[in-house]
Amino acid sequence: DAMVIQNPRYQVTQFGKPVTLSCSQTLNHNVMYWYQQKSSQAPKLLFHYYDKDFNNEADTPDNFQSRRPNTSFCFLDIRSPGLGDAAMYLCATSRELGRASYNEQFFGPGTRLTVL
Amino acid sequence: QKEVEQNSGPLSVPEGAIASLNCTYSDRGSQSFFWYRQYSGKSPELIMFIYSNGDKEDGRFTAQLNKASQYVSLLIRDSQPSDSATYLCAVNAGYKLSFGAGTTVTVRA
Repeated sequence: DAMVIQNPRYQVTQFGKPVTLSCSQTLNHNVMYWYQQKSSQAPKLLFHYYDKDFNNEADTPDNFQSRRPNTSFCFLDIRSPGLGDAAMYLCATSRELGRASYNEQFFGPGTRLTVL
Repeated sequence: QKEVEQNSGPLSVPEGAIASLNCTYSDRGSQSFFWYRQYSGKSPELIMFIYSNGDKEDGRFTAQLNKASQYVSLLIRDSQPSDSATYLCAVNAGYKLSFGAGTTVTVRA
């Protein structure tokens, strides 16, 4: 089955210790997104890639970086995690972008990050 | 004004009843609208999408869209305990989806 996979499902790190979360997709979608979701809040878009073009949200802290080495994989790097970065990190994909396109986004299972 | 607003919850309905969820959006140019279901501790799961004014039915779920009123709703008929979850309304805002804060539904057995 075509799907979005995230690893690890649970990640524990120490304050200030860099961490990398990974996402892969077999949907062959052009767009990959990273969201941060805290308890009882809507998912917050951090950035997205359209193919190799990277697009950062204006309010995404510099502490968050991303890499997309190929169509299938995308990584989220948190350079110096703080206690406030503890959250669920969601990867999503969609076929295309644009207001007029049918932009269903499909989410992976998420990675729950704990910062000690 | 928030881009996407949902009726405040939580919403508690008895098993077998209809759960009605509402969502309004501010961007009049939006053309596609989505409902995601999110169980506690899990990721959002797409359950319905609608692009045209009117109703769209899929099993026990009906999405309703009124672009003139900038309003989209989700009806869950014959509610089951397994429908207990948070429902997120999302609106295509161009390069991204704008999400509402979600409405938590509890179905009482």
